[in-house]
Amino acid sequence: SQQGEEDPQALSIQEGENATMNCSYKTSINNLQWYRQNSGRGLVHLILIRSNEREKHSGRLRVTLDTSKKSSSLLITASRAADTASYFCATDASGGSNYKLTFGKGTLLTVNP
Amino acid sequence: GAVVSQHPSWVICKSGTSVKIECRSLDFQATTMFWYRQFPKQSLMLMATSNEGSKATYEQGVEKDKFLINHASLTLSTLTVTSAHPEDSSFYICSASPLPGQSAYEQYFGPGTRLTVT
Repeated sequence: SQQGEEDPQALSIQEGENATMNCSYKTSINNLQWYRQNSGRGLVHLILIRSNEREKHSGRLRVTLDTSKKSSSLLITASRAADTASYFCATDASGGSNYKLTFGKGTLLTVNP
Repeated sequence: GAVVSQHPSWVICKSGTSVKIECRSLDFQATTMFWYRQFPKQSLMLMATSNEGSKATYEQGVEKDKFLINHASLTLSTLTVTSAHPEDSSFYICSASPLPGQSAYEQYFGPGTRLTVT
């Protein structure tokens, strides 16, 4: 099963509004990362938060991490039409000698102009 | 910096043929490269991890004889889909990390390759 599970699966908002997406995971992690993917394109790294961090900011992005609840949230403030994309959380998973990312199912965000 | 390219960006091939996809790190040396597969409206699934100069490590359920991975240099990894079938049609994405092993959380993703097998 997916390590990361985002909700909601889809979110539609108006430009200027804030968008909040959540991610839950099952096992202990070292890091949690959020990525954006425009339709049919590769992934763009947004932010990494370590397991000993609770909150991190980057521009209009705010990420929180609650390791006791095994959950994270991504807040995009003052959304723009260009923020329309799918957003994925990814958690690390120890796997032998190699580092592996496990992605959630993603949230499709639509920002209407 | 930290740009990863993939070639081709899309490819259509006939069933039974083989297709090679290249993944290049343009401005850094990629000690570790990853190959993912993504079906429409679904998440990325890790297929395999490759370290330069050694054999790739495949995830459970991924056929290593069907998905041949070569990481011959620190800037190039290739994925060859052998004897492709329509069910192999998917979006293949690579990522590259300048760091080895358990430090490879810093990954840079390529733009993906859309494979359609007819």
